[in-house]
Parts: sequence; structure tokens; C-alpha cells
Amino acid sequence: DQQVKQNSPSLSVQEGRISILNCDYTNSMFDYFLWYKKYPAEGPTFLISISSIKDKNEDGRFTVFLNKSAKHLSLHIVPSQPGDSAVYFCAASAGAQKLVFGQGTRLTINP
Amino acid sequence: GAGVSQTPSNKVTEKGKYVELRCDPISGHTALYWYRQSLGQGPEFLIYFQGTGAADDSGLPNDRFFAVRPEGSVSTLKIQRTERGDSAVYLCASSLTGGTGVEQYFGPGTRLTVT
Repeated sequence: DQQVKQNSPSLSVQEGRISILNCDYTNSMFDYFLWYKKYPAEGPTFLISISSIKDKNEDGRFTVFLNKSAKHLSLHIVPSQPGDSAVYFCAASAGAQKLVFGQGTRLTINP
Repeated sequence: GAGVSQTPSNKVTEKGKYVELRCDPISGHTALYWYRQSLGQGPEFLIYFQGTGAADDSGLPNDRFFAVRPEGSVSTLKIQRTERGDSAVYLCASSLTGGTGVEQYFGPGTRLTVT
């Protein structure tokens, strides 16, 4: 049972444009959501997070939106840069320490 | 400062053998986590330590898997009688404290291949 789903395995975006990565979840007990970025041969790196009591969190070029009624969150990157090319994982936790991850979306930024 | 380190970076073993994977967390981090990432999937939780004790081991797939953290710092994940299905990247993470909303810092992982 996949509680966190990223339905797009890959996404290609032109440099300078907006990248939108999507994530859906099924467990209504999730109260904290995170996005991690992963380069090859490295561990995931924390990018941005949001608590379930908020619907938006912004950090520089990165914004995460949470729609609790739809059990959906998205990560917006604007403007996209070549260094943003990586695999992005959505993760969630339910009042506990362990994170439940989605399958990941490979983002490619084209010059 | 130094991040989370894991050794070895790669491990190839034969089916049925025993392996140990090591994790050195960030100094001062009390919480330590093990995850496993299979090809094309996201990391999957295995076990969480708070200090020396395993606070949550609900993700360990079976009794062939065991982990220790005897002094509340370095942790070792032990896999007995390895099977080909154990092949994956094993990730370790640490955080300053446990709890929701606390950022977990990941190591580069150990790629385990069981032949």
C-alpha cells in the first residue's frame, strides 16, 4: 500500500521556467510533509517542509503548497536552474519520527 | 562539519552470507534512522534509534535484520543469511533530536549486492 505517491517518474523543464512536482498521499494522519532532493551517489538532501496546519511555505526559489482536502502537495521551483536537475522525493510523517517516501520524480532542466 | 558517513560504500556478498553495514551520524545527533532504497523506489523506513535504544523497529522486514547502537553514536545494521532480494541501497540518517518536523540528514548510502 503506497501511502505517498509521485505519479510522474520524470519531468523535463526549460531553464528559467517553473518546475512543478506533485505528490499525493492517502493517510489523513500525516501531519508533516517534506521534499528531499537527491543527486546520483549521494544521500537525499532536505529541501523544504510544511506542517499540516499551513497551506504554503516558501524558501527562496522553492515553494511547497499543501491541499489537505485533496491530500495533495506540490513543489514549485522558479526560476528553474540546471543545478536543480536531480531526483525529488516527497515524504510525510504521522506524529512519528519515521518518514514515508514517494517513489521520486526525476527532474531535468534543459538549457 | 562532517556529515553522516556510511561504510562500506559498496558491498558485494554471496547469498547466505552475513553482512554488517556501518553508520557514523553527525556528532551530537541523538536520533538515528536506517532506510532501504530499492531500484526505482523511494527510501523505505527500517528502524529508528533514540540514543542507544531502538524506539521503532517496525520497518525491519524479518528477523534476519538487526541493528544496534551500543553507545548512542555509531550504528551497525546486520543482515544474516542474505538473500538476493536484500540487494538495495541502505541509507542512514541522523537528526539532532527525534520528533516530527526535525530534519533528517542522510548519508550517501551503502549499495549492497547479493549474488
